[in-house]
Amino acid sequence: NAGVTQTPKFQVLKTGQSMTLQCAQDMNHNSMYWYRQDPGMGLRLIYYSASEGTTDKGEVPNGYNVSRLNKREFSLRLESAAPSQTSVYFCASSGGTGSYGYTFGSGTRLTVV
Amino acid sequence: GDSVTQMEGPVTLSEEAFLTINCTYTATGYPSLFWYVQYPGEGLQLLLKATKADDKGSNKGFEATYRKETTSFHLEKGSVQVSDSAVYFCALSQYSGGGADGLTFGKGTHLIIQP
Repeated sequence: NAGVTQTPKFQVLKTGQSMTLQCAQDMNHNSMYWYRQDPGMGLRLIYYSASEGTTDKGEVPNGYNVSRLNKREFSLRLESAAPSQTSVYFCASSGGTGSYGYTFGSGTRLTVV
Repeated sequence: GDSVTQMEGPVTLSEEAFLTINCTYTATGYPSLFWYVQYPGEGLQLLLKATKADDKGSNKGFEATYRKETTSFHLEKGSVQVSDSAVYFCALSQYSGGGADGLTFGKGTHLIIQP
């Protein structure tokens, strides 16, 4: 099925470990996004990529890096995980100018102990 | 900056009751407005949208009208079902040219429908 695929679905890390969350879309969308979801906070934008080769910071970028590998793939890296990064992470993509809506992946539940 | 405010939950209703979830926004310009729904353990799905003032978005019996004068986009459904139990997010998007900036979300409203 067409859509946004995230891996892994679940991950437990120890404080200080690093990991990369993978995201791929097969809808030929230009824009891709990473959000985190925390109880009582809604969704907050971490980074986005308006097109292949460009990335920009969102509301909460500290502690994260991203790579837009090609048009399909947009990865999120935690270089040194902290308990405050325990969250559910969602990748999304959009093909339009903001009025088309976004397609979300099913999420990665990350726990940092 | 842009912001979205929606009623806090949980909202608990009986099956077949009328539903209203309030959403108001603060934004410059003319944003597009969205409602997303998140079922347990899943990602967000677009429920409906409106891109200009007085537009009405509708889907699966849900409706919301873009009211610029009151900066609101309230979600309504005439008769809810147990299967509507989920978290509902109101969101807005501004296109500033050169690439999308991402959605701004409200904090979500947890809706519980009892049989």
